[in-house]
Amino acid sequence: DAGVTQSPTHLIKTRGQQVTLRCSPKSGHDTVSWYQQALGQGPQFIFQYYEEEERQRGNFPDRFSGHQFPNYSSELNVNALLLGDSALYLCASSFRSADEQFFGPGTRLTVL
Amino acid sequence: GENVEQHPSTLSVQEGDSAVIKCTYSDSASNYFPWYKQELGKRPQLIIDIRSNVGEKKDQRIAVTLNKTAKHFSLHITETQPEDSAVYFCAARAEGGYSTLTFGKGTMLLVSP
Repeated sequence: DAGVTQSPTHLIKTRGQQVTLRCSPKSGHDTVSWYQQALGQGPQFIFQYYEEEERQRGNFPDRFSGHQFPNYSSELNVNALLLGDSALYLCASSFRSADEQFFGPGTRLTVL
Repeated sequence: GENVEQHPSTLSVQEGDSAVIKCTYSDSASNYFPWYKQELGKRPQLIIDIRSNVGEKKDQRIAVTLNKTAKHFSLHITETQPEDSAVYFCAARAEGGYSTLTFGKGTMLLVSP
């Protein structure tokens, strides 16, 4: 039974570019949350997807958008990249509104 | 919104000692408090959690206590081992918060042999 998977592992982009990160939830999970973890900080909630809709959003600009597919996998898109977007992007999955979330290994994004 | 404060930011102990990490939260509606362990370059892993209807929970060498009145919760690790060295994060989830978590800034625990 695969846990949460994310791709790619690492990514290097330049300012102004756009990036798409991908996440596959743990088997049996239908809810995907995205978090940004800057170096030396705790994860910060970006948004959550359930039933292919954005259900809740944190304090992130509209440059951050997402999508959830019928198979529950999800994408995070970031437009007009800034240096400050450099971080580890974590995906977490859960079942409905269950308490426990399982995290993926993350995608390390570096913006030059 | 919810705000979670975590202390200390770093904690160094000798193998066999106990370690305590403390967190406070601001939203009295929060009702779920997990602790995650993150080793260097790896994903956060849930090590223990507590819900607001419980005051204490133990799992072998790890325990968590919750004081709802004071809005703080703590992680206790006894008989620390070098493999306990990692960054530990506390988090809180508000009731009705669809399982989204607000995290503290983390505590780097270093256990020396």
